[in-house]
Amino acid sequence: AQTVTQSQPEMSVQEAETVTLSCTYDTSENNYYLFWYKQPPSRQMILVIRQEAYKQQNATENRFSVNFQKAAKSFSLKISDSQLGDTAMYFCAFMKHSGLASGTYKYIFGTGTRLKVLA
Amino acid sequence: KAGVTQTPRYLIKTRGQQVTLSCSPISGHRSVSWYQQTPGQGLQFLFEYFSETQRNKGNFPGRFSGRQFSNSRSEMNVSTLELGDSALYLCASSSRGGNEQFFGPGTRLTVL
Repeated sequence: AQTVTQSQPEMSVQEAETVTLSCTYDTSENNYYLFWYKQPPSRQMILVIRQEAYKQQNATENRFSVNFQKAAKSFSLKISDSQLGDTAMYFCAFMKHSGLASGTYKYIFGTGTRLKVLA
Repeated sequence: KAGVTQTPRYLIKTRGQQVTLSCSPISGHRSVSWYQQTPGQGLQFLFEYFSETQRNKGNFPGRFSGRQFSNSRSEMNVSTLELGDSALYLCASSSRGGNEQFFGPGTRLTVL
């Protein structure tokens, strides 16, 4: 069974600084997707960034980038130039690629990291 | 395009009662998943429906059930509520072939 582990329950960072959130996972699958979702206080969860396991290049979305180490089963999120609006819970998630073919999905989420950006 | 909507947003129930939560996915999305979110536990997968059929199920007792209608709207039912069922229940929809889930605002259930 797949598992996703986020070992940092809480983190803080000064505005404009860089912070890295860690995520490790365990799977025997070779093809899968990894995601980082952001849940701001009292607001809806939104996708931050996704990574296909077959792609060696790390995904980047503006100030957000990942360090994907497939062999180590590690998927960390780096936030550069942190902004107050980045304050949120961040969830790492795993999805089997085979889910796409069947049209069904089962995400496995980590327990989340609460990030606070300090002014 | 309207996002995922969930009703009601807040619910207060007492132990032993039952509750039904509703989720309307994004238009065109046929996959709907339900999650229970509690502090320290993160998001726990409840079940996923596609074309009115339950395709995946998490490790929750039979008190938790769901269904999906022909218009892809989904309902989740919890019977014989327990204090531990207090949580934020999130619904997410996906399109077939898409790998991103779009989440609703959630229903916060409090069991007294």
